[in-house]
Amino acid sequence: AQSVTQPDIHITVSEGASLELRCNYSYGATPYLFWYVQSPGQGLQLLLKYFSGDTLVQGIKGFEAEFKRSQSSFNLRKPSVHWSDAAEYFCAVGARGFKTIFGAGTRLFVKA
Amino acid sequence: NAGVTQTPKFQVLKTGQSMTLQCAQDMNHEYMSWYRQDPGMGLRLIHYSVGAGITDQGEVPNGYNVSRSTTEDFPLRLLSAAPSQTSVYFCASTYDRNTEAFFGQGTRLTVV
Repeated sequence: AQSVTQPDIHITVSEGASLELRCNYSYGATPYLFWYVQSPGQGLQLLLKYFSGDTLVQGIKGFEAEFKRSQSSFNLRKPSVHWSDAAEYFCAVGARGFKTIFGAGTRLFVKA
Repeated sequence: NAGVTQTPKFQVLKTGQSMTLQCAQDMNHEYMSWYRQDPGMGLRLIHYSVGAGITDQGEVPNGYNVSRSTTEDFPLRLLSAAPSQTSVYFCASTYDRNTEAFFGQGTRLTVV
């Protein structure tokens, strides 16, 4: 069955520090992978997506993610975090039947 | 562009009451979904639709009904509300399986 695991429930980083959010997926075929961000009280906004090709994908707000098939991972990174990045981040896989399966989310806290 | 519009934004129900959460999109997307978001569990798929007249169950369909009479609208019905259905509900639409989902702003439902 398709599934997405985000091992970290929450992460705290200092403003200006680098960030990596982990995501592992289980899917039998070539996956469609997504990262979404949710600010408090808001809906979800797409940060980036991977379908095929270059395994390093760039997204909005300075985020990037790297697809590693051998590790079934799609980790999200940002070189320098800003206070406005504090939010919840969801990794997702596009599954058969046009369903999107989400991980449980990682809440990012940014300290000054 | 309105995108995906959900109404109402907030709702309080008594146990046993019924209600319909409305979802409309103006992007001519064929694929629409309903998710519920609970702390620590990410987004779980309730029902989805791949086109007018076609719906299917997701991970947590019990207690919910859907129908899709038009491309634009995808209402979610709670037949007899229970406290376990207290959650934030998101509607999403997708153009195709390899494109991202667009989300509404959510409906916060409390069942007392």
